[in-house]
Amino acid sequence: NAGVMQNPRHLVRRRGQEARLRCSPMKGHSHVYWYRQLPEEGLKFMVYLQKENIIDESGMPKERFSAEFPKEGPSILRIQQVVRGDSAAYFCASSLGQGVRGEQYFGPGTRLTVT
Amino acid sequence: GESVGLHLPTLSVQEGDNSIINCAYSNSASDYFIWYKQESGKGPQFIIDIRSNMDKRQGQRVTVLLNKTVKHLSLQIAATQPGDSAVYFCAEKGAGKSTFGDGTTLTVKP
Repeated sequence: NAGVMQNPRHLVRRRGQEARLRCSPMKGHSHVYWYRQLPEEGLKFMVYLQKENIIDESGMPKERFSAEFPKEGPSILRIQQVVRGDSAAYFCASSLGQGVRGEQYFGPGTRLTVT
Repeated sequence: GESVGLHLPTLSVQEGDNSIINCAYSNSASDYFIWYKQESGKGPQFIIDIRSNMDKRQGQRVTVLLNKTVKHLSLQIAATQPGDSAVYFCAEKGAGKSTFGDGTTLTVKP
């Protein structure tokens, strides 16, 4: 059973370009979470999605960031017009259920560098 | 809002010694607490969790203690090994998201 997959693992974008980060959850998991990690810091929650629905986007910046989890295919985190401050590691996690006990499994992350 | 924090950003121990990593939290309504291990270049890996109605839980070589009176959580690693070197995060788990602290870097000296 493959774990959570993320691609690309490393992404370099110039300021003003768009970044698309993909996450394929574990087989059978329908809940996906995106987190951002700045150097020397913990992970900060961004958004929680279930198939075709955004459940909680309280950690998502209001502008330039969007996320989706379509019925078919991976979840996508999209950052438009990237700025240097967007440079970070972005982690995706998936879970079977959304209950408190629902263990989240993390992917290896996408490291975004904005030049 | 709630916050989760760790007492020390770094901890250095000798191989074979026991390690204790501490964490403080502020949300008294938290129901689950989780410890994660993150190695360089990788995503967080679940170690152990504890429910708020418990005060101790043991796993393989790890023990988590929860003190709700002072809102304190600790992770004890027995007989620390070089492979335990990593950043350790405590997190509070709600329905949906987890709220992470900033992490303690554990270095194991041979």
